[in-house]
Amino acid sequence: EVQLVQSGSEVKKPGESLKISCNTSGYKFINYWVGWVRQMPGKGLEWMGIIYPGDSDTRYGPSFQGQVTISVDKSISTAYLQWSSLKASDTAVYYCARVGRDGYIQRSAFDIWGRGTMITVSS
Amino acid sequence: EIVLTQSSGTLSLSPGERATLSCRASQSVSSNYLAWYQQKPGQAPRLLIYRASTRATGIPDRFSGSGSGTDFTLTISRLEPEDFAMYYCHHYSGSPPYSFGQGTKLEIK
Repeated sequence: EVQLVQSGSEVKKPGESLKISCNTSGYKFINYWVGWVRQMPGKGLEWMGIIYPGDSDTRYGPSFQGQVTISVDKSISTAYLQWSSLKASDTAVYYCARVGRDGYIQRSAFDIWGRGTMITVSS
Repeated sequence: EIVLTQSSGTLSLSPGERATLSCRASQSVSSNYLAWYQQKPGQAPRLLIYRASTRATGIPDRFSGSGSGTDFTLTISRLEPEDFAMYYCHHYSGSPPYSFGQGTKLEIK
């Protein structure tokens, strides 16, 4: 069974750093892109970025470029999302999701999702 | 960057009725690389439809997708109580970045 297990909720102060994780299992990690999606309280889904574990090719959404870093550790089939300096506006639920494959197409829809990590940034 | 607009913010219907949700793209979505997701409160989104019209694994056949180019539709043929939720479209055409529509809330009338 394909699973994406995310790290637990965090409460942080503005200016602090944070790295959250998404541990995958049940498939060959290096062969599928993995992405991150933000959902601010009461709002819709926002596409943050995706990474290909095979070569760490990473693409960011324009609102997130330079604001977060997406990375992977192939040895433990885990993807990460990190911030160097959190802001109150980073308060949200963050989902990781596997990018499916569709025939020869390497980047299809997000087919398997983690349960989300709630990040609260408050002084 | 393609912008997706879901025209109905909220759709109020009764169980048993037919739901039609729309998603319009600011430019053509190549190869119909458009997906639909369902999200219930407190849950992660669930993939319903990809490539505009292909149902994901385990999705009931009352859900169907259609459209091409810039106009796409998700249809739920006969609403069940568990279908009342948020629905998002998402494009993944061309090179990233990709994007989501702002969502449509399907509520019980």
